[in-house]
Amino acid sequence: EAGVTQSPRYAVLQEGQAVSFWCDPISGHDTLYWYQQPRDQGPQLLVYFRDEAVIDNSQLPSDRFSAVRPKGTNSTLKIQSAKQGDTATYLCASRDNNERLFFGHGTKLSVL
Amino acid sequence: QQQVRQSPQSLTVWEGETAILNCSYEDSTFDYFPWYWQFPRESPALLIAIRPVSNKKEDGRFTIFFNKREKKLSLHITDSQPGDSATYFCAAPLLSGSFNKLTFGAGTRLAVCP
Repeated sequence: EAGVTQSPRYAVLQEGQAVSFWCDPISGHDTLYWYQQPRDQGPQLLVYFRDEAVIDNSQLPSDRFSAVRPKGTNSTLKIQSAKQGDTATYLCASRDNNERLFFGHGTKLSVL
Repeated sequence: QQQVRQSPQSLTVWEGETAILNCSYEDSTFDYFPWYWQFPRESPALLIAIRPVSNKKEDGRFTIFFNKREKKLSLHITDSQPGDSATYFCAAPLLSGSFNKLTFGAGTRLAVCP
């Protein structure tokens, strides 16, 4: 069974630039999560979907971050104008029917 | 914001000793509490989880103890091995509106010395 796939693996930006992260969850998993993990911290939930619907995006900085999952499968997380404080690893995870989360390798973002 | 708290922040034990990692959480209406471990340059992966119809879940050298009344959990790693050196995250499904969102603690960094 294929795992959760994310791309790109790394991104380096100047402040003010935009970037998009892409996630392909495990087939059949209807719930998808985006987490932000700063260095030496735990994963912090940004947004999660059930199918194509946003269930919770209360921790997503809405002025610069957006996330979509239009067909209830792949998802894209976008940062419109990156700041140095956005430097972190961005993890996508999908959940099976037994509540288990499976994480992708993540995208390591550095904002200079 | 509701939180999941872990202690200690870091822990060093000798090979063969028992490591004890602690976790507490705030309100949750859904009983499923996983522990994830994360090795350097890798993503978190599920280690063990408890659905507290009982207050203990054992899987080999790893055991979760759960105290629902006090909203506390602990992870015991017996006969610790150098390969257990990793960061361990406790997670809890904290209430958010009418949904439960899986919230992670800040982690305990475990080092097992040979």
